[in-house]
Amino acid sequence: DIQVTQSPSSLSASVGDRVTISCRTSQAISHALSWYQQKPGQAPTLLIYVASSLQSGVPSRFSGSGSGTDFALTISSLQPEDVATYYCLQDYATPLAFGGGTKVEI
Amino acid sequence: QLLVQEPGPGLVKPSETLSLSCTVSGDSLSNNDFHWVWIRQPPGKGLEWIGSISYDGSTHYNPSLRSRVSISVDTSKKYFSLKLSSVTAADSAIFYCARHFSLTAFDFWGQGTLVTVSS
Repeated sequence: DIQVTQSPSSLSASVGDRVTISCRTSQAISHALSWYQQKPGQAPTLLIYVASSLQSGVPSRFSGSGSGTDFALTISSLQPEDVATYYCLQDYATPLAFGGGTKVEI
Repeated sequence: QLLVQEPGPGLVKPSETLSLSCTVSGDSLSNNDFHWVWIRQPPGKGLEWIGSISYDGSTHYNPSLRSRVSISVDTSKKYFSLKLSSVTAADSAIFYCARHFSLTAFDFWGQGTLVTVSS
């Protein structure tokens, strides 16, 4: 099974800061990694797919990078509405697996 | 809304079977480009993939749940379902359904249903 390690588990930053969240997989998964945002009381929503493609409607301050085993989600300028928990997901092989989540606060 | 989760039981007794369903609007449930998945999230915790089904009924399950889980699809009625047997308190969670496309991963999600296991 492919393990997904996400870091940090939480972070606090200021409005306008650049924020980076990392995910590492235990095996190479090419670009089969996506990122999700979950606000309190809501279902997750897709931000980034195939590692670096921005989902339609998602602000351009969100970006994804990486391939193989190391991936990152970057928020170029943190906004108050970005307060949420972020998850990565590997869908390269079953069992599919999420990272543990990163709670972003301001 | 592409995926609408039917109101769940809310409360299930230990050792019983939890049953949930997710209705898919349009014709995408019959499209073999998509898989249909169930995910759960215990209160205050992270997301866990439960399993997936394709339009032809082929399934993949999380090994940690394989002995207790069953996912089925009814393309004529446009819904897919989850059954989780022999539940314990550890199975209490918000359950989400979602669409899985090979390119865009989990691009649509249901609204979520909270199920509590308690006597």
